[in-house]
Amino acid sequence: GAVVSQHPSRVICKSGTSVKIECRSLDFQATTMFWYRQFPKKSLMLMATSNEGSKATYEQGVEKDKFLINHASLTLSTLTVTSAHPEDSSFYICSARDRTGYNSPLHFGNGTRLTVT
Amino acid sequence: DQQVKQNSPSLSVQEGRISILNCDYTNSMFDYFLWYKKYPAEGPTFLISISSIKDKNEDGRFTVFLNKSAKHLSLHIVPSQPGDSAVYFCAAANTGNQFYFGTGTSLTVIP
Repeated sequence: GAVVSQHPSRVICKSGTSVKIECRSLDFQATTMFWYRQFPKKSLMLMATSNEGSKATYEQGVEKDKFLINHASLTLSTLTVTSAHPEDSSFYICSARDRTGYNSPLHFGNGTRLTVT
Repeated sequence: DQQVKQNSPSLSVQEGRISILNCDYTNSMFDYFLWYKKYPAEGPTFLISISSIKDKNEDGRFTVFLNKSAKHLSLHIVPSQPGDSAVYFCAAANTGNQFYFGTGTSLTVIP
């Protein structure tokens, strides 16, 4: 099956620093990857859609200058949380579809637990 | 505005019995529906899906039912096993890449 790998699984950083999270599709190419954020006991919130070779599309209310997304290849997308603050502490998950078009599921990475102190 | 809703935050079921998880949606344009299983500190794992042209899809112990007129779908797990204990998310999508997720139902299967 389609495998999405996310790294790191857990990171603790100090307030004001930046953190980069990597998302890789291991056995398929993904022209589009999706970044989600999950708050405790809440649903998965789509933050942005990452498009290979072009700019990401951000959802309303998500600061693009704070959450920098780069999709440099068909198998790698990165999310950089810049100038992190404690309120950025959350569980971030990336996902991708292993084939384009209709009726294909999203496959998720294992997520990254970010804690900003 | 929550377009996909799971009104039961938790469910407990005895091992061997049926687990029924429910999900409601509001957007009639959704035509693809999915269920995901999630353990703590892990990403969701795809379980089963159904397109709007069907009303039932079965995969082993898992069956998804879709009632389009009621905008309701459900996941049946039979028989339930302790390893099924997890949070289950339903999701819906339309022709675009946009997936909408419910808030999840925590299933506990009691041995």
